Order: sequence, then C-alpha cells, then structure tokens
Amino acid sequence: LAKTTQPISMDSYEGQEVNITCSHNNIATNDYITWYQQFPSQGPRFIIQGYKTKVTNEVASLFIPADRKSSTLSLPRVSLSDTAVYYCLVGGSNTGKLIFGQGTTLQVKP
Amino acid sequence: DSGVTQTPKHLITATGQRVTLRCSPRSGDLSVYWYQQSLDQGLQFLIQYYNGEERAKGNILERFSAQQFPDLHSELNLSSLELGDSALYFCASTGQGTRYGYTFGSGTRLTVV
Repeated sequence: LAKTTQPISMDSYEGQEVNITCSHNNIATNDYITWYQQFPSQGPRFIIQGYKTKVTNEVASLFIPADRKSSTLSLPRVSLSDTAVYYCLVGGSNTGKLIFGQGTTLQVKP
Repeated sequence: DSGVTQTPKHLITATGQRVTLRCSPRSGDLSVYWYQQSLDQGLQFLIQYYNGEERAKGNILERFSAQQFPDLHSELNLSSLELGDSALYFCASTGQGTRYGYTFGSGTRLTVV
C-alpha cells in the first residue's frame, strides 16, 4: 500500500478556498485516491475518490496530475463546519483495507 | 445515518474484563472492517471480514478477536482489557472493496477503568 504524506494542520477563514495536497510517490497502477473527512468522535466520511485528472462532486474537487504522485483536495468556500481532519488514502480495489495516515487537521476561523 | 450500525455507543468496564462490540454493515455490503482510534495512535486497522471469512489482519492484539456471522453482522471481542485499550472502535463496510470507499459507523467508545 502506498504511503501518503500530507500537512499535519492548516488554518483558513470562512469563505476561502482550501487546498490540501497529499503526496503518494509510490502509488501503484491500480490504486485509487480517496479522501475522507472526520469530525471529533465520529467515523470518517467518504468525500471524494479519483484515479486521474479531475473529479468534482457537490462538496469538493480532486485534482490529480498526470504522474499521479500527488493529489489535491479542494474545498470551495469553507465554513466553520468544515473544521475537521482530512485523510488522503491510496489503495486498489483488491487490497481489502485502507491504511490511514495522520491526516490534516483543518481549522476554519470566522 | 450512514447505514452502518454499531452498538453499544459507549462502554465503561474494568481492567481484566471482556467486552463484545457489535457491527451491522450497510445493507448488501459483504465486507466489514474494524478500526481502533486512540488519541496517540490515530486510526489503526484491526481486521477485515468478507462474507464470513477473515480476509486481512492488521495490528490486532491476540487478546482481541472478531467474527462475521451468516447474517453479515460482525462482533469484535476484546478480552483481558487494559487501560490502554480505551479508544474509539469503528466498524466500516463496503460492497465493492476499497474502490468505492468505506462507510463507517458512528463508533463505540470504550473506556477501561
């Protein structure tokens, strides 16, 4: 399973766009990139998943360059309720388990 | 409601005791995963079951065991409890492996005193 590296923490203000970058230099050909959000004392929640280029859903966008060695989660116009820990994970469809790193603690300030 | 149900939500027990945590996966999901989250360790993968069979093992202690029943619910058994076992225990399920993401339950908070 590819190891991921992401910033430990980030601060932002309400209404700003937040970009969290994750490095995964050893990503395998069949690995997908998935981001989760976790609030205190709650289970992680799936945000978005992608393989290459750009993926967008109702809450976030995921940008993946051609070499796939990194990815960037983009949260548009964050609010206080986006304060959470964000995890980047890579894995294939047959690995059967996800290994969570330290995640990025995003603090959104008023 | 994520569709993954964990019971109980809170559990307080004494050292040396044994407890059972229960997880009902989302309808149709065959895979169940157990994770432990403590303050200083983050989310640690413990074990995975797929359709009743153990599929993958992580950092699960010998004092811990799990099983998945024919109705696909799973139980995590923790015995000879120590203070350090105090943590949040999450169950997650998926129907297509990791390709489509996990759905996590709300967790069981275990406090060992």
